[in-house]
Amino acid sequence: QQPVQSPQAVILREGEDAVINCSSSKALYSVHWYRQKHGEAPVFLMILLKGGEQKGHDKISASFNEKKQQSSLYLTASQLSYSGTYFCGTETTSYDKVIFGPGTSLSVIP
Amino acid sequence: GAGVSQSPRYKVAKRGQDVALRCDPISGHVSLFWYQQALGQGPEFLTYFQNEAQLDKSGLPSDRFFAERPEGSVSTLKIQRTQQEDSAVYLCASTRAGGVTGELFFGEGSRLTVL
Repeated sequence: QQPVQSPQAVILREGEDAVINCSSSKALYSVHWYRQKHGEAPVFLMILLKGGEQKGHDKISASFNEKKQQSSLYLTASQLSYSGTYFCGTETTSYDKVIFGPGTSLSVIP
Repeated sequence: GAGVSQSPRYKVAKRGQDVALRCDPISGHVSLFWYQQALGQGPEFLTYFQNEAQLDKSGLPSDRFFAERPEGSVSTLKIQRTQQEDSAVYLCASTRAGGVTGELFFGEGSRLTVL
C-alpha cells in the first residue's frame, strides 16, 4: 500500500525551512527519501532503518518514528537547488521492494 | 558503465504495437527493479529481479507486460499491444545486494508515448 505524503506542494523563499511528512498504515522496516528534478532520474537522499535513528545530509535531515509508521524530512536554510519533487519510499521487510508515495513538489524562489 | 543506462530514452508507438525497453544496470548489481511513473505521480513498482530470477511481478498491470533478465545483467521490459494508458516513463533501478535496504540507483527512464 502506497505511503501518504504531505504537503502535496510547498513554495519557499531561499533560506526558509520546510518539513515533508510521510506516513504508512503498515509496519515499516525502512523509509527512503529521494529527490527528482523535472525530466531527471530520482536521486537518493537517505535511508532510515527501523530503530528510530535520525540522519543528516548537509542541511537536509530526516527522522523515523517506527511506532507511528511516520517519517519526516527536514530541509533547513533552503537553497534554489533544493527545488524538485521529494518522494518517500517504504519497505515493510528487509531486502524487499520499495513502494513510493505520490511526492511533494518543493519550489524554492529567490 | 558508471550508471544505470536505459534505452530508448523516448519511444512513440501506435496503439496496438509492441515495444521493448532495455535496462543496463550498474555492473555487479544483483537486484534490478522496474517502475512506471505517470506524469505528476510517484514511481509505481512493476517487477523485481535478483540476478536472473524474477522474485516479484505483482505490480505488472496486465499480461501484456513481460520482463526478463536472462543472464542476470541486462533486463528488457516488453509491452505487447500497447494502449494509451501505457504512456508513462519507465524507470529502471539497481542495487548492489539482494532486495533494497540500501540506495536505489535509477536510470533516466524511457518515456513511452502511445498514440
